[in-house]
Parts: sequence; C-alpha cells; structure tokens
Amino acid sequence: AQRVTQPEKLLSVFKGAPVELKCNYSYSGSPELFWYVQYSRQRLQLLLRHISRESIKGFTADLNKGETSFHLKKPFAQEEDSAMYYCALRAGGTSYGKLTFGQGTILTVHP
Amino acid sequence: DAGITQSPRYKITETGRQVTLMCHQTWSHSYMFWYRQDLGHGLRLIYYSAAADITDKGEVPDGYVVSRSKTENFPLTLESATRSQTSVYFCASSEPDRLNDYTFGSGTRLTVV
Repeated sequence: AQRVTQPEKLLSVFKGAPVELKCNYSYSGSPELFWYVQYSRQRLQLLLRHISRESIKGFTADLNKGETSFHLKKPFAQEEDSAMYYCALRAGGTSYGKLTFGQGTILTVHP
Repeated sequence: DAGITQSPRYKITETGRQVTLMCHQTWSHSYMFWYRQDLGHGLRLIYYSAAADITDKGEVPDGYVVSRSKTENFPLTLESATRSQTSVYFCASSEPDRLNDYTFGSGTRLTVV
C-alpha cells in the first residue's frame, strides 16, 4: 500500500524568505505525485503535478525517486501563499484515479 | 466552476441519527470520490465510484454507505452518526482519461453532538 508523509504540520516564514514543504512517499511502483492547495474558505485545488514539471505561482517540485521525495519549493514566499498544502500520490494500474494524501502542512507567511 | 456541488455546507446532528451528504456534478465524470478531512490525518478516502452502480470502499469506510444510481449524484450516508465522524467531507470527481483533472467540491462541515 502507498503512503504519503508530510512531516511538518505547521510552517511559518516571513515574506520574501524561501520556503520548502516536505513530502515523502512510499510506493513500490511508479507513482504520480501532486501538490494540492486549499486557501482559506476555498475548495481544494491542484497546484502542480510532477509529470508536467511546471512552475505554478512560483512553486516548483521535483520528484526524487532515490529519496522518494517530492518537496515543494518557492524561492520568495508571499503572504498570499498562506494556505494548507497537501501532497498526494496516485498509484498506477487500476487505481481508478484514487489519491492518497499526506497529513497536510499549514503554511503561514508573515508580513 | 461550480460543476460539483455539495450540500449542505454545514450540518449539526445528534449521535445515532442518520444523515446524508449530497454530491452533484454536472460534467458526467465517471469517477467520484468521498474524502474526509481531519487535522493530523489529511484527507482519507471513504468510498469511491467508477461509474453508476459501481462503488467500492476506500481507506475508512466503516459507518458510511454510498450509492450511485445516477452518474451525476454520489450521496454519502452516515447510518448512525458518531462523534468520531465529526469532520469536513469532500466530494471529488474525475474522468478516466483525464485523471489529472481531479475536481473537489466545497466541502460539508459535519458536527456530531
């Protein structure tokens, strides 16, 4: 069975500082990894996915299969980045698109 | 953007009562999911459905029942609510050939007293 771990429940940084939200996973096959974000009073939405190797709102994440990690990074945090962030994994095969989520990290960016 | 709607947004119910949370999507997505969100646990899958009349258990199905008689609706029923089921419940949907487009509803905050 797959597992996603986000070791930090809370993360606080100041505006303009770099931020890294950690995500580690365990899965025997080739996973698809995602980051979802939930801003205050809004629904959960996709931030980025590893297969597209894109940068959204200045965030990037690189899949490191050796370390089984998919950390989310941003060089200069903004106050509007304050939100709950979830790392998620989708297994291959007939998983019906089911996602396994980590415990979430609440990011607070102080002015 | 309101292609997937959940109702009610907030619900308070008493222990032992039956309560149903509704989820409706307008895209005719095949796949639908129910998750519960709890601090320290993240989102955990309760049930999912691959199509109408096809449902299966997720990680935490005990105490819940689902049905999918129509593609667009996926109600979640708590047969006899317990305090441990106090949570925020999210419905989501996606298509088999577009699994990266996983869309969530706004959530239902359920409190069992």
